Amino acid sequence: DAGVIQSPRHEVTEMGQEVTLRCKPISGHNSLFWYRQTMMRGLELLIYFNNNVPIDDSGMPEDRFSAKMPNASFSTLKIQPSEPRDSAVYFCASSLDRRGREQFFGPGTRLTVL
Amino acid sequence: KQEVTQIPAALSVPEGENLVLNCSFTDSAIYNLQWFRQDPGKGLTSLLLIQSSQREQTSGRLNASLDKSSGRSTLYIAASQPGDSATYLCAVEANSKLTFGKGITLSVRP
Repeated sequence: DAGVIQSPRHEVTEMGQEVTLRCKPISGHNSLFWYRQTMMRGLELLIYFNNNVPIDDSGMPEDRFSAKMPNASFSTLKIQPSEPRDSAVYFCASSLDRRGREQFFGPGTRLTVL
Repeated sequence: KQEVTQIPAALSVPEGENLVLNCSFTDSAIYNLQWFRQDPGKGLTSLLLIQSSQREQTSGRLNASLDKSSGRSTLYIAASQPGDSATYLCAVEANSKLTFGKGITLSVRP
């Protein structure tokens, strides 16, 4: 298995631009998680899906952030408009179930907003 | 709100030393605890998962223990090697969500 795939690996954009991050979970996993990692705040859960349905988005910082999972093999995290404080590494993870199972992480997308 | 603490933030040891990494959490109502490894510029790799009903898990030179009542976990690394140099994060699961500590950056000197 190729593991969790994320694209792009690096993204540099200017403030105000729209950013879309992509994730392909491990085949057969039915839970998908989006995290953000910064030096100040560490690793934080933004949102997670179970069977393509958003279950908890309480970690999404504000309305500029949105996430979708149109099918079992694809999810997006969109930031519109982007701001410099959104600069971070964004990770996607998947697991066999939303509870009690190991989460497998992708390599992350390093986002820099100038 | 669950808080996970890992102290110290960094640790440097000579090769061959046995070492213990600590993790504490404030709310004992957890479903499980996981230890992860993160190499610079990479994602997280799961090392060990301990269910709340378990006391410890072992994998090779790694042994993780869990004392849920006191809100503590330890990751024991035997005979450390330079290849063990990485950041080690613990995370507790509750309500289907993981809460992470900020990690301990370990450097094993040859």
